Amino acid sequence: QQQVKQSPQSLIVQKGGISIINCAYENTAFDYFPWYQQFPGKGPALLIAIRPDVSEKKEGRFTISFNKSAKQFSLHIMDSQPGDSATYFCAASPYGGSQGNLIFGKGTKLSVKP
Amino acid sequence: DGGITQSPKYLFRKEGQNVTLSCEQNLNHDAMYWYRQDPGQGLRLIYYSQIVNDFQKGDIAEGYSVSREKKESFPLTVTSAQKNPTAFYLCASSSRTYGYTFGSGTRLTVV
Repeated sequence: QQQVKQSPQSLIVQKGGISIINCAYENTAFDYFPWYQQFPGKGPALLIAIRPDVSEKKEGRFTISFNKSAKQFSLHIMDSQPGDSATYFCAASPYGGSQGNLIFGKGTKLSVKP
Repeated sequence: DGGITQSPKYLFRKEGQNVTLSCEQNLNHDAMYWYRQDPGQGLRLIYYSQIVNDFQKGDIAEGYSVSREKKESFPLTVTSAQKNPTAFYLCASSSRTYGYTFGSGTRLTVV
């Protein structure tokens, strides 16, 4: 119940294409769903986050789609660029993400080919 | 600039040795966390602390210890009881308003 399942494990996209990463969860107490971007040798950085009262959130080329009934959420990267090549983690948490355990997916390594 | 500082960036441990990883934050966050990252495993929670002088075990606490004597500091000790300590260790802090912020990590290698 505490797991967040993330797919695919790796993804190769051509420059200008759309990258899509999916996550699923079981625990209905989760109410905060962030995505993190991590470059090699660095800590994860918050990319975008959503709460279950909205079905979609967009920030620039990054969009989270959220399906509460299916308990799934996904990250879409539009017009993917080589600089987007990184590992992406979805996560989920109760308590609005302010405390307690942030549960992470296992990550997706994205490679954007020029 | 506000943020989380982890040190050292690289650390080498001999067999049977205890080592301590430092984590300092100046974000005035109440909660702090330690995660371990292994290839293909995502991030796994070692310990977390929501207030000074209090902390809880995470999913993989065996072989690790922490202290929280100050709000700003949450050091992690990797003890000799941790049989496979080679990993990338990440410290984080959180607030209700700004969510989680991560440090830049410490890479620990057993030599």
